[in-house]
Amino acid sequence: DAGITQSPRHKVTETGTPVTLRCHQTENHRYMYWYRQDPGHGLRLIHYSYGVKDTDKGEVSDGYSVSRSKTEDFLLTLESATSSQTSVYFCAIRDSKSSSYNEQFFGPGTRLTVL
Amino acid sequence: QQQVKQSPQSLIVQKGGISIINCAYENTAFDYFPWYQQFPGKGPALLIAIRPDVSEKKEGRFTISFNKSAKQFSLHIMDSQPGDSATYFCAASMLTGGGNKLTFGTGTQLKVEL
Repeated sequence: DAGITQSPRHKVTETGTPVTLRCHQTENHRYMYWYRQDPGHGLRLIHYSYGVKDTDKGEVSDGYSVSRSKTEDFLLTLESATSSQTSVYFCAIRDSKSSSYNEQFFGPGTRLTVL
Repeated sequence: QQQVKQSPQSLIVQKGGISIINCAYENTAFDYFPWYQQFPGKGPALLIAIRPDVSEKKEGRFTISFNKSAKQFSLHIMDSQPGDSATYFCAASMLTGGGNKLTFGTGTQLKVEL
């Protein structure tokens, strides 16, 4: 699992409430990513980070914000959750210490349901 | 816009048979093509990956075939086993610049029957 943990693993919330998901890594990787997985869409990139306080948008960033105040933690925030954000959220790291391919490894996921 | 198109959506193969999953991409700047395997309730796990400077890469029973001119790549699973039953995703990215953001296909649910 490349030393990646996600919390919470499951969450049910109501429309309009703020939600923060946490990704924690223990191996000092520079790059971290947030994806969402939905049937028929595969995985889609929400935001990614290339260092502390350095983040950029992905394909489906609307309605999401991220923060990275230290190397090991990458937070994903839904400021005001909507039902369309019901999904499974995966965090990933880019293993720049491996071979030249810079593989990405994924965490176990967080299942979020917005009622 | 789906930049990586994957087919078929689902696949049933007999034990010992060959499973073939195909992907096509549009962005010629992509230079890294991984395949991921995902079991229910788990995160995707990297299975095998290829760069476009080679036409084929084999790791055990898993082979990627790559056709740069056609902008297509495929995963072959030889001697398919029931334990291979999972969802498979192809993906593509640019290794330099752009943060190695992965663009995924929509997935193929593989079932290997006894």
